[in-house]
Amino acid sequence: DQQVKQNSPSLSVQEGRISILNCDYTNSMFDYFLWYKKYPAEGPTFLISISSIKDKNEDGRFTVFLNKSAKHLSLHIVPSQPGDSAVYFCAASATNFGNEKLTFGTGTRLTIIP
Amino acid sequence: DVKVTQSSRYLVKRTGEKVFLECVQDMDHENMFWYRQDPGLGLRLIYFSYDVKMKEKGDIPEGYSVSREKKERFSLILESASTNQTSMYLCASRIVSSFSGANVLTFGAGSRLTVL
Repeated sequence: DQQVKQNSPSLSVQEGRISILNCDYTNSMFDYFLWYKKYPAEGPTFLISISSIKDKNEDGRFTVFLNKSAKHLSLHIVPSQPGDSAVYFCAASATNFGNEKLTFGTGTRLTIIP
Repeated sequence: DVKVTQSSRYLVKRTGEKVFLECVQDMDHENMFWYRQDPGLGLRLIYFSYDVKMKEKGDIPEGYSVSREKKERFSLILESASTNQTSMYLCASRIVSSFSGANVLTFGAGSRLTVL
């Protein structure tokens, strides 16, 4: 049972344009959401996160939006740059007194076209 | 910066061999995790450890075991490797905090295991 879903396996975007990556979840207990970025032959690196008490969090070119009623979050990258080409994973967790485990989605491969 | 080191980047093993994947973190983190990454399946949690000598099954523990004798080291063991365990294995660690913003895993570079 896939509790965190990324329905687009791949996405191509022109350099300078906005990239929008989507993620859906089914577990209503999830209260913290993260995005990770992964280059080939490297481990995932943390990008941005959002708590369920917020609906938006921004960090430079990256903004994450959370729609709790739709159980949907999205990552916006603007403007997109060639170095953004990577696989992006969304992840979610439910509060467990400091011992939360992260559930990851299947990933979206983003390709930025120069 | 937290460093998570996985000792082997690439391994090739034969079916039935016992395989050890080692992971060491240098920031005194309580929690450690083992995930595997497969195309189309994302990252799936195999086992995690809240603290020394503590372990808990993740979503796909079958065919694996773990060992955490010291806080900084978390080992993943494949008792009898099979071809369907060919994968990228990722270790991660995290400090325990009541602040939810600390709920961020730091990953190692990964160990790519091929079982022939």
